[in-house]
Amino acid sequence: DAGVTQTPRHEVAEKGQTIILKCEPVSGHNDLFWYRQTKIQGLELLSYFRSKSLMEDGGAFKDRFKAEMLNSSFSTLKIQPTEPKDSAVYLCASSPTINTEVFFGKGTRLTVV
Amino acid sequence: GEQVEQLPSILRVQEGSSASINCSYEDSASNYFPWYKQEPGENPKLIIDIRSNMERKQIQELIVLLDKKAKRFSLHITDTQPGDSAMYFCAASAFDGNEKITFGAGTKLTIKP
Repeated sequence: DAGVTQTPRHEVAEKGQTIILKCEPVSGHNDLFWYRQTKIQGLELLSYFRSKSLMEDGGAFKDRFKAEMLNSSFSTLKIQPTEPKDSAVYLCASSPTINTEVFFGKGTRLTVV
Repeated sequence: GEQVEQLPSILRVQEGSSASINCSYEDSASNYFPWYKQEPGENPKLIIDIRSNMERKQIQELIVLLDKKAKRFSLHITDTQPGDSAMYFCAASAFDGNEKITFGAGTKLTIKP
C-alpha cells in the first residue's frame, strides 16, 4: 500500500534548532498539503502545492515555516528556528486533484523543548 | 477563501444512540463535501462524501445531509458503537481552478458504554 509516507514519525528538538520534515506523496497525485494538528486549533493549513507549484503558504506561518517541493515525489517542511509552541503533529497529505479524496500520512509528532 | 465551521467540538453519546455533527461553509461555489475519521494515533481517512448534486447519502450507519441553500451539511452516525469513538473532520472544496479543500476544526466523538 503506497500511501503518503512521512519521516521521521517522531522528532524532538531544542528551542532554536532547525528541523526538516519529509513527505512522499502518493505517486501520481497532483496536490500536496502540509497541515499542523493540535487539539485546540484542529487542522491548520501550512502549505499547499499543485503540480509542484506553491499555491498557498499559510500566512501566519510564513516567517519560520518553509515548505518545498523539488520534484513531484518529495516535499520537505523546514521549521527554523523552532519554538516550544511548534510542538504538534505535522500531517502531509496528497490528492489526485481537487474535489477528490485526500490521503494523509501518519504524521510527524514534533516536540520542542 | 472558503471557511468551514464545525460543531460541536466535543460530543459524547451513549452506545446505541445517534451522533450528529454539523458543518457550515461560506463559498456557494463549494460542491464537494467529504468527511474524515481519525482514530487515536492514526491518520485521517475518508469515510463518506457527498457532492452538490445530492441532498442525502448513506453508507451503512453513516448518513450525510447537504442543504445547499443554507450552506450546511451534516454527518449522522446511527446506532453508535465503541469503534465510532474518534475525531471527525468535515471539509468543503470547489472545482473552480485554484480552490483547495478546507477542513473544519474537528469533533471529538466519544461513545459511552
